[in-house]
Amino acid sequence: RKEVEQDPGPFNVPEGATVAFNCTYSNSASQSFFWYRQDCRKEPKLLMSVYSSGNEDGRFTAQLNRASQYISLLIRDSKLSDSATYLCVVNESRGSTLGRLYFGRGTQLTVWP
Amino acid sequence: SQTIHQWPATLVQPVGSPLSLECTVEGTSNPNLYWYRQAAGRGLQLLFYSVGIGQISSEVPQNLSASRPQDRQFILSSKKLLLSDSGFYLCAWRAGGGNSPLHFGNGTRLTVT
Repeated sequence: RKEVEQDPGPFNVPEGATVAFNCTYSNSASQSFFWYRQDCRKEPKLLMSVYSSGNEDGRFTAQLNRASQYISLLIRDSKLSDSATYLCVVNESRGSTLGRLYFGRGTQLTVWP
Repeated sequence: SQTIHQWPATLVQPVGSPLSLECTVEGTSNPNLYWYRQAAGRGLQLLFYSVGIGQISSEVPQNLSASRPQDRQFILSSKKLLLSDSGFYLCAWRAGGGNSPLHFGNGTRLTVT
């Protein structure tokens, strides 16, 4: 079983739509969680960290469910510029100061006009 | 603020030729440094990471090597490239401590011909 799993998509949505991605992780000891976005042929860029209480950044909302071991990303009022691949990243703590990072394969989103 | 520089941006090399990719980080001390590879349409594969000068951990056995001659410099090398070494190479850093996010350089797109 993979440490982090994501639905690869693709998700094709019209502008203005709300879209949600989920990501599941296998290690209950995982301590921190992130969403990255990667544009075609570019490096991944940090979109937002995910906090236990859930957090919001403009049109983006991230949530963590430790009991079910998944994190989610909700994008409201989708823009054309939101088209990208969204990567889920889980930091697994093993008692050291350097946690191991696990990346999902990414979920592809295309927003059409 | 912290910045990460990676070069070159693109590289075309013949099979059997050597490789040297360089990455430097500015604005921070004692960062944890990483080399990842992303093959076309695939997820991120961790190649090497380093928690300090001269300390290199290898994740995947292959014909690549890494070195960290200075605190904020990370080099990826190969003596003889293979066709299968083609891909998108990403250097990344993060602060010490288990819960900090990863920050990527712009990447090097390597094509081995």
